[in-house]
Amino acid sequence: GQSLEQPSEVTAVEGAIVQINCTYQTSGFYGLSWYQQHDGGAPTFLSYNALDGLEETGRFSSFLSRSDSYGYLLLQELQMKDSASYFCARYNTDKLIFGTGTRLQVFP
Amino acid sequence: KAGVTQTPRYLIKTRGQQVTLSCSPISGHRSVSWYQQTPGQGLQFLFEYFSETQRNKGNFPGRFSGRQFSNSRSEMNVSTLELGDSALYLCASSLANPDREAFFGQGTRLTVV
Repeated sequence: GQSLEQPSEVTAVEGAIVQINCTYQTSGFYGLSWYQQHDGGAPTFLSYNALDGLEETGRFSSFLSRSDSYGYLLLQELQMKDSASYFCARYNTDKLIFGTGTRLQVFP
Repeated sequence: KAGVTQTPRYLIKTRGQQVTLSCSPISGHRSVSWYQQTPGQGLQFLFEYFSETQRNKGNFPGRFSGRQFSNSRSEMNVSTLELGDSALYLCASSLANPDREAFFGQGTRLTVV
C-alpha cells in the first residue's frame, strides 16, 4: 500500500508552535515531501526528507523516522498567513502520492 | 520564467458531456503529472506523462485519459462526466522525472451539474 495518514485539522494561536504528523506505508518509499496550499491556490513545496532526522528551513522544520514510517512538519512562531492546508507526500521516484491533508487554522 | 499554466480556470459542464483540460509546464520541464483534488480526499494521482508517453497511471476509470504533445504541453480528457467528477484538477511539472519538488499550476475547477 502507498497511503498516508494525516490529522484532518489542527488549530493554534499566533506565535505558537504546531506539529503536523504524517504516517505512511513503506512499500517503495524513497522520501517524504511537504506542501502548503492556501485556499484557492496551488500547492507549493516546503521541504523534503530522504534520511532520518530534522531538516530546518526558517520557521518550518520537517522530520522523518524511516524505522517508524513517520514524519512531521513543525511550524514555529505561527503567523496568520500560515493558515492553509498542509500535505505530506511520499516520493516513489515515479510519482508523488499525497496524504489527505491537514487544515491549519491560526487564530489571533 | 513562467510557471505552470492551466486552462481554463473554471468550467461548468452537465452530466454525460466530455471535457478537455490543458496544462503548459514550465519551459524545459518534460514531465507532467495530473491530480484530482476533492474535499477530504487530498490530491489523488491520475497519470504522468514524459516525452509524449504515459509512464504511470492512478486508479481512475478509463473515462479519464490524457496525452502529451511534443512541446510537453499536456491535456487530460474526461468523458461521460458524472457529478462525482466535480473537483479541482491540478497539474504539476518537473524536469525529467516526477520530483520530490513538483511545481503546480493553479488548477482547473470543474463543476458537473
